[in-house]
Amino acid sequence: KAGVTQTPRYLIKTRGQQVTLSCSPISGHRSVSWYQQTPGQGLQFLFEYFSETQRNKGNFPGRFSGRQFSNSRSEMNVSTLELGDSALYLCASSLTGGRNNEQFFGPGTRLTVL
Amino acid sequence: AQSVTQLGSHVSVSEGALVLLRCNYSSSVPPYLFWYVQYPNQGLQLLLKYTTGATLVKGINGFEAEFKKSETSFHLTKPSAHMSDAAEYFCAVKTGANSKLTFGKGITLSVRP
Repeated sequence: KAGVTQTPRYLIKTRGQQVTLSCSPISGHRSVSWYQQTPGQGLQFLFEYFSETQRNKGNFPGRFSGRQFSNSRSEMNVSTLELGDSALYLCASSLTGGRNNEQFFGPGTRLTVL
Repeated sequence: AQSVTQLGSHVSVSEGALVLLRCNYSSSVPPYLFWYVQYPNQGLQLLLKYTTGATLVKGINGFEAEFKKSETSFHLTKPSAHMSDAAEYFCAVKTGANSKLTFGKGITLSVRP
């Protein structure tokens, strides 16, 4: 069974631009969560999607948004990029997102904002 | 609110020595606890988890952890370190019904030959 895939793996943008990252979950998984990883703040939860609906949201500004498609693939978008948005963005999928479900992480997208 | 504390940012051990990575949590409800490992340029891989039941849990690669409610701890151990164990280790907690994980800051483990 293929794992969680994230595209692109690396991305370089400049301040003020916007970016879209993609995540394909493990087949059959309906929950997708996104995390931001930075050296200063560590791993922080962005949001979770289940059945095309945002079910849970972390403490990030509205510039960070996401969506999920009917095939469970998810995208996250960051508008008006800031230098501080440089990070590794990790996607994780699970069957239903319940407390008992194991989350499987993708390799991440490394975003650099210049 | 839930939180996880991993004291120190770096641990160095000799190959063959005991590995001990500490994790303390704060939670107002019974927690589910996890240890993840991250190798350079990779995502997170689950090492082990505690949900309910037996407080000593065994994971992959010879790691184990013990849930101690009285100490609010979930320390990770391995009897004998291997060079391939060098990586970053994260402790995490889940308390709600959903999937949100709250992570500690992580500890980098170095293994000396």
